[in-house]
Amino acid sequence: ILNVEQSPQSLHVQEGDSTNFTCSFPSSNFYALHWYRWETAKSPEALFVMTLNGDEKKKGRISATLNTKEGYSYLYIKGSQPEDSATYLCAFGDSGYSTLTFGKGTMLLVSP
Amino acid sequence: NAGVTQTPKFRVLKTGQSMTLLCAQDMNHEYMYWYRQDPGMGLRLIHYSVGEGTTAKGEVPDGYNVSRLKKQNFLLGLESAAPSQTSVYFCASSYPTGPQHFGDGTRLSIL
Repeated sequence: ILNVEQSPQSLHVQEGDSTNFTCSFPSSNFYALHWYRWETAKSPEALFVMTLNGDEKKKGRISATLNTKEGYSYLYIKGSQPEDSATYLCAFGDSGYSTLTFGKGTMLLVSP
Repeated sequence: NAGVTQTPKFRVLKTGQSMTLLCAQDMNHEYMYWYRQDPGMGLRLIHYSVGEGTTAKGEVPDGYNVSRLKKQNFLLGLESAAPSQTSVYFCASSYPTGPQHFGDGTRLSIL
Protein backbone atom coordinates (compact mmCIF):
# COMPACT_ATOMS: atom_id res chain seq x y z
CA ILE A 1 0.00 0.00 0.00
CA LEU A 2 1.49 3.33 -1.08
CA ASN A 3 1.74 6.10 1.49
CA VAL A 4 0.23 9.45 0.48
CA GLU A 5 0.19 12.00 3.27
CA GLN A 6 -1.54 15.37 3.34
CA SER A 7 -0.99 18.17 5.81
CA PRO A 8 -2.47 19.86 7.60
CA GLN A 9 -5.52 17.68 8.26
CA SER A 10 -7.69 20.79 8.55
CA LEU A 11 -7.31 24.52 8.25
CA HIS A 12 -9.49 27.47 9.23
CA VAL A 13 -8.69 30.84 7.64
CA GLN A 14 -10.35 34.20 7.22
CA GLU A 15 -11.64 35.49 3.92
CA GLY A 16 -8.81 37.10 2.00
CA ASP A 17 -6.06 34.98 3.59
CA SER A 18 -3.76 33.03 1.31
CA THR A 19 -3.08 29.45 2.26
CA ASN A 20 -1.22 26.36 1.17
CA PHE A 21 -1.25 22.64 1.86
CA THR A 22 1.17 19.81 1.25
CA CYS A 23 0.91 16.39 -0.33
CA SER A 24 3.76 13.91 0.20
CA PHE A 25 4.09 10.80 -1.94
CA PRO A 26 6.68 8.14 -2.83
CA SER A 27 9.50 9.61 -4.91
CA SER A 28 10.11 6.36 -6.81
CA ASN A 29 8.08 5.07 -9.75
CA PHE A 30 6.27 8.39 -10.13
CA TYR A 31 3.80 8.80 -12.98
CA ALA A 32 1.27 11.48 -12.00
CA LEU A 33 -0.09 13.55 -9.13
CA HIS A 34 -3.73 14.62 -9.11
CA TRP A 35 -5.47 17.28 -7.02
CA TYR A 36 -9.23 17.18 -6.39
CA ARG A 37 -11.63 19.53 -4.66
CA TRP A 38 -14.45 17.93 -2.68
CA GLU A 39 -17.28 20.10 -1.44
CA THR A 40 -19.59 18.83 1.28
CA ALA A 41 -22.52 16.77 -0.08
CA LYS A 42 -20.97 16.71 -3.54
CA SER A 43 -18.48 14.46 -5.32
CA PRO A 44 -14.75 15.13 -5.86
CA GLU A 45 -13.90 17.28 -8.87
CA ALA A 46 -10.51 17.28 -10.56
CA LEU A 47 -8.39 20.43 -10.25
CA PHE A 48 -5.05 19.42 -11.72
CA VAL A 49 -3.17 16.47 -13.18
CA MET A 50 0.58 16.96 -12.92
CA THR A 51 3.18 14.71 -14.48
CA LEU A 52 6.48 16.61 -14.85
CA ASN A 53 8.97 17.52 -12.13
CA GLY A 54 8.83 21.28 -11.63
CA ASP A 55 5.36 21.48 -13.14
CA GLU A 56 3.21 24.39 -12.02
CA LYS A 57 -0.50 24.55 -12.81
CA LYS A 58 -2.96 27.37 -12.18
CA LYS A 59 -6.74 27.71 -12.23
CA GLY A 60 -7.98 31.10 -11.14
CA ARG A 61 -6.75 31.73 -7.57
CA ILE A 62 -5.61 28.13 -7.10
CA SER A 63 -2.20 26.88 -8.15
CA ALA A 64 -0.10 23.79 -7.57
CA THR A 65 3.56 22.87 -7.82
CA LEU A 66 5.24 19.48 -8.11
CA ASN A 67 8.58 18.10 -6.96
CA THR A 68 8.85 14.46 -7.98
CA LYS A 69 12.48 14.04 -6.85
CA GLU A 70 11.64 14.76 -3.22
CA GLY A 71 8.06 13.53 -3.41
CA TYR A 72 5.87 16.50 -2.60
CA SER A 73 3.31 18.84 -4.14
CA TYR A 74 1.95 22.12 -2.81
CA LEU A 75 -1.51 23.53 -3.43
CA TYR A 76 -1.87 27.30 -2.99
CA ILE A 77 -5.04 29.35 -2.70
CA LYS A 78 -4.58 33.10 -3.04
CA GLY A 79 -7.11 35.37 -1.33
CA SER A 80 -9.35 32.59 0.04
CA GLN A 81 -13.10 33.02 -0.34
CA PRO A 82 -15.90 31.24 1.59
CA GLU A 83 -16.73 29.28 -1.56
CA ASP A 84 -13.24 27.75 -1.40
CA SER A 85 -14.33 25.82 1.70
CA ALA A 86 -13.93 22.16 0.80
CA THR A 87 -11.71 19.15 1.31
CA TYR A 88 -8.73 19.09 -1.03
CA LEU A 89 -7.48 15.64 -1.99
CA CYS A 90 -4.27 14.66 -3.67
CA ALA A 91 -3.80 11.30 -5.38
CA PHE A 92 -0.62 9.56 -6.54
CA GLY A 93 -0.30 7.44 -9.65
CA ASP A 94 2.75 5.23 -9.97
CA SER A 95 4.33 3.84 -13.12
CA GLY A 96 1.61 1.17 -13.43
CA TYR A 97 -0.92 3.99 -13.45
CA SER A 98 -4.15 2.11 -13.70
CA THR A 99 -5.14 3.28 -10.21
CA LEU A 100 -4.58 6.23 -7.89
CA THR A 101 -3.77 6.20 -4.19
CA PHE A 102 -5.59 9.04 -2.43
CA GLY A 103 -4.49 10.98 0.61
CA LYS A 104 -6.98 11.61 3.39
CA GLY A 105 -7.36 15.25 2.39
CA THR A 106 -7.02 18.70 3.89
CA MET A 107 -10.32 20.21 5.05
CA LEU A 108 -10.37 23.99 4.46
CA LEU A 109 -12.90 26.29 6.10
CA VAL A 110 -12.91 29.94 5.03
CA SER A 111 -14.86 32.28 7.29
CA PRO A 112 -16.33 35.55 5.96
CA ASN B 1 -24.27 15.54 -20.14
CA ALA B 2 -24.93 13.12 -17.25
CA GLY B 3 -21.28 12.14 -16.61
CA VAL B 4 -21.19 9.38 -13.97
CA THR B 5 -24.52 8.24 -12.54
CA GLN B 6 -24.86 6.02 -9.49
CA THR B 7 -28.00 4.20 -8.42
CA PRO B 8 -29.39 4.00 -5.84
CA LYS B 9 -28.45 7.12 -3.86
CA PHE B 10 -29.45 5.66 -0.51
CA ARG B 11 -30.16 2.16 0.74
CA VAL B 12 -30.67 0.43 4.06
CA LEU B 13 -30.03 -3.30 4.23
CA LYS B 14 -30.23 -5.95 6.88
CA THR B 15 -27.20 -8.09 7.65
CA GLY B 16 -27.01 -10.97 5.20
CA GLN B 17 -29.01 -9.34 2.44
CA SER B 18 -27.53 -8.86 -1.00
CA MET B 19 -27.63 -5.92 -3.36
CA THR B 20 -26.04 -4.44 -6.44
CA LEU B 21 -24.91 -0.86 -6.94
CA LEU B 22 -24.94 0.39 -10.50
CA CYS B 23 -22.54 2.89 -12.03
CA ALA B 24 -23.09 4.23 -15.53
CA GLN B 25 -20.89 6.66 -17.46
CA ASP B 26 -21.53 8.34 -20.78
CA MET B 27 -18.01 9.66 -21.47
CA ASN B 28 -16.70 6.54 -23.23
CA HIS B 29 -14.05 6.11 -20.52
CA GLU B 30 -12.00 2.93 -20.50
CA TYR B 31 -11.30 2.87 -16.78
CA MET B 32 -13.88 2.59 -14.01
CA TYR B 33 -13.46 2.38 -10.24
CA TRP B 34 -15.39 1.68 -7.06
CA TYR B 35 -14.30 3.37 -3.82
CA ARG B 36 -15.61 3.45 -0.31
CA GLN B 37 -15.31 6.48 1.92
CA ASP B 38 -15.29 6.10 5.68
CA PRO B 39 -14.63 8.76 8.32
CA GLY B 40 -10.92 9.30 8.84
CA MET B 41 -10.01 6.78 6.13
CA GLY B 42 -10.23 8.76 2.92
CA LEU B 43 -11.16 7.13 -0.37
CA ARG B 44 -10.18 3.46 -0.56
CA LEU B 45 -10.28 1.50 -3.79
CA ILE B 46 -12.47 -1.62 -3.76
CA HIS B 47 -12.24 -2.89 -7.35
CA TYR B 48 -11.48 -1.39 -10.70
CA SER B 49 -11.71 -2.14 -14.39
CA VAL B 50 -9.44 -1.10 -17.24
CA GLY B 51 -11.84 -2.20 -19.96
CA GLU B 52 -14.98 -4.08 -20.83
CA GLY B 53 -14.85 -7.63 -19.50
CA THR B 54 -11.89 -7.01 -17.17
CA THR B 55 -11.83 -6.36 -13.43
CA ALA B 56 -9.15 -6.26 -10.75
CA LYS B 57 -8.95 -6.02 -6.96
CA GLY B 58 -8.11 -2.81 -5.19
CA GLU B 59 -7.07 -2.16 -1.61
CA VAL B 60 -10.22 -3.44 0.14
CA PRO B 61 -11.94 -6.03 -2.13
CA ASP B 62 -13.16 -8.56 0.46
CA GLY B 63 -16.93 -9.00 0.58
CA TYR B 64 -17.51 -7.36 -2.80
CA ASN B 65 -17.76 -8.54 -6.38
CA VAL B 66 -17.87 -6.53 -9.59
CA SER B 67 -18.72 -6.95 -13.23
CA ARG B 68 -18.08 -4.87 -16.35
CA LEU B 69 -20.15 -6.52 -19.08
CA LYS B 70 -20.61 -3.25 -20.97
CA LYS B 71 -18.08 -0.46 -21.28
CA GLN B 72 -20.42 2.13 -19.85
CA ASN B 73 -21.52 0.15 -16.77
CA PHE B 74 -19.68 -1.08 -13.69
CA LEU B 75 -21.63 -3.03 -11.10
CA LEU B 76 -20.65 -3.53 -7.47
CA GLY B 77 -22.26 -6.43 -5.63
CA LEU B 78 -22.54 -7.28 -1.97
CA GLU B 79 -23.47 -10.95 -1.69
CA SER B 80 -24.03 -11.04 2.08
CA ALA B 81 -23.99 -7.57 3.57
CA ALA B 82 -22.22 -6.98 6.89
CA PRO B 83 -22.38 -3.94 9.20
CA SER B 84 -18.70 -3.25 8.39
CA GLN B 85 -19.81 -2.45 4.85
CA THR B 86 -21.81 0.55 6.01
CA SER B 87 -20.18 3.35 4.05
CA VAL B 88 -20.52 5.87 1.26
CA TYR B 89 -19.63 4.29 -2.07
CA PHE B 90 -18.29 6.32 -4.99
CA CYS B 91 -17.89 5.25 -8.57
CA ALA B 92 -15.45 7.01 -10.88
CA SER B 93 -14.36 6.75 -14.49
CA SER B 94 -11.45 8.08 -16.52
CA TYR B 95 -9.35 7.85 -19.64
CA PRO B 96 -6.12 5.92 -18.93
CA THR B 97 -4.03 9.00 -18.02
CA GLY B 98 -6.77 11.50 -17.28
CA PRO B 99 -8.49 12.81 -14.16
CA GLN B 100 -11.16 10.69 -12.55
CA HIS B 101 -14.80 11.77 -12.80
CA PHE B 102 -16.92 10.81 -9.81
CA GLY B 103 -20.56 10.00 -9.31
CA ASP B 104 -22.59 11.54 -6.50
CA GLY B 105 -22.17 8.56 -4.20
CA THR B 106 -24.40 5.89 -2.67
CA ARG B 107 -24.97 6.01 1.08
CA LEU B 108 -25.39 2.43 2.29
CA SER B 109 -26.38 1.46 5.83
CA ILE B 110 -26.37 -2.13 7.00
CA LEU B 111 -28.20 -2.95 10.19
